[in-house]
Amino acid sequence: ETGVTQSPTHLIKTRGQQVTLRCSSQSGHNTVSWYQQALGQGPQFIFQYYREEENGRGNFPPRFSGLQFPNYSSELNVNALELDDSALYLCASSLGTGTYGYTFGSGTRLTVV
Amino acid sequence: GQQVMQIPQYQHVQEGEDFTTYCNSSTTLSNIQWYKQRPGGHPVFLIQLVKSGEVKKQKRLTFQFGEAKKNSSLHITATQTTDVGTYFCAGAPSAGAGSYQLTFGKGTKLSVIP
Repeated sequence: ETGVTQSPTHLIKTRGQQVTLRCSSQSGHNTVSWYQQALGQGPQFIFQYYREEENGRGNFPPRFSGLQFPNYSSELNVNALELDDSALYLCASSLGTGTYGYTFGSGTRLTVV
Repeated sequence: GQQVMQIPQYQHVQEGEDFTTYCNSSTTLSNIQWYKQRPGGHPVFLIQLVKSGEVKKQKRLTFQFGEAKKNSSLHITATQTTDVGTYFCAGAPSAGAGSYQLTFGKGTKLSVIP
């Protein structure tokens, strides 16, 4: 059984650029959630995808968007990058809406300069 | 919106001492989950509590969910160096829209002195 895999592991972007982060969910999981974790903070919910549709969104602006594919993998896209977007982006998969816990990937460390 | 507070922010203990972290939510929760994040790692699911007053044990770890389903605690007996990391509680609001949305506390960073 494979876990959650994310790519890339590290990324450096310039302010104003766009970025796409990728996530493959754990085998058997049909829901993917994305979290942003700033240094020294807890993960913050960005949004969740279930059956290829956004199933809820946290307090993030529309320039954060995502997709889920038929194989349950997912992408997180961020447009017009700002310095404050520098963080660890975590993908978490679950069966259903996560009422039995989430399996997190190792994350993508995004640095915006 | 929902807020989850966690204390203490940091805890340094001598190996063999006990450790407790506390979690309080501003709203009633449908369930609370606990995660451990090792330095440089990612959160790893430990447990979920659902019922009011629930107590669960995993070896040296004891988890409690308050009667009002607004607070929780994690207690580690006789800490070991392998317990080092940041412990997060994460609350899911009561059933309804957004009930899947976990709100994480800021975590308690545990250091264990050998």
